[in-house]
Amino acid sequence: TQLLEQSPQFLSIQEGENLTVYCNSSSVFSSLQWYRQEPGEGPVLLVTVVTGGEVKKLKRLTFQFGDARKDSSLHITAAQPGDTGLYLCAGGWSTSGTYKYIFGTGTRLKVLA
Amino acid sequence: DAGITQSPRHKVTETGTPVTLRCHQTENHRYMYWYRQDPGHGLRLIHYSYGVKDTDKGEVSDGYSVSRSKTEDFLLTLESATSSQTSVYFCATGGGSPLHFGNGTRLTVT
Repeated sequence: TQLLEQSPQFLSIQEGENLTVYCNSSSVFSSLQWYRQEPGEGPVLLVTVVTGGEVKKLKRLTFQFGDARKDSSLHITAAQPGDTGLYLCAGGWSTSGTYKYIFGTGTRLKVLA
Repeated sequence: DAGITQSPRHKVTETGTPVTLRCHQTENHRYMYWYRQDPGHGLRLIHYSYGVKDTDKGEVSDGYSVSRSKTEDFLLTLESATSSQTSVYFCATGGGSPLHFGNGTRLTVT
């Protein structure tokens, strides 16, 4: 059974601080996605990483996929109130020709002005 | 935006009644998924479909059934709703590519 542990569950920080969210598993994934979800809406894709050791940057957000493709991190530099939301990681894999995804439990981030 | 519409957006129903949630997509994606989201559990896969009339169970499929008679529509049925099925239900499309989500259906079973 695939399992994806995400930490921390909750994070409340001041504007301008840096933070890192972690996503860990004992399973290997073909891809790892990070999503952000606003209240009353579905998750929206931020980034996909597919290669072990891959680093992607999206403005102040830096995403890294572990060398063994079992873990990932999201780092936010100089957080802003607009970064507030629920961040979800999701591991994807293919089995018997079908694609499945498993989600972490989420990190609820609140950035205070 | 993958053009995913979920209906209804909100529903309150009584224990023991059947309920059907609908997901409609306009992007011709082959794969469609139903997830439920609950505090402390994140998104959990209920059922998924990899083509018309091709469906399979996810990790929390008990008490749920699905049907896909057309590429664009994926229906989730709660055969006899229970209070434990109170949740927010999300439909997603994708498969081999990142998922695109609808805006969810908030279901309350009283």
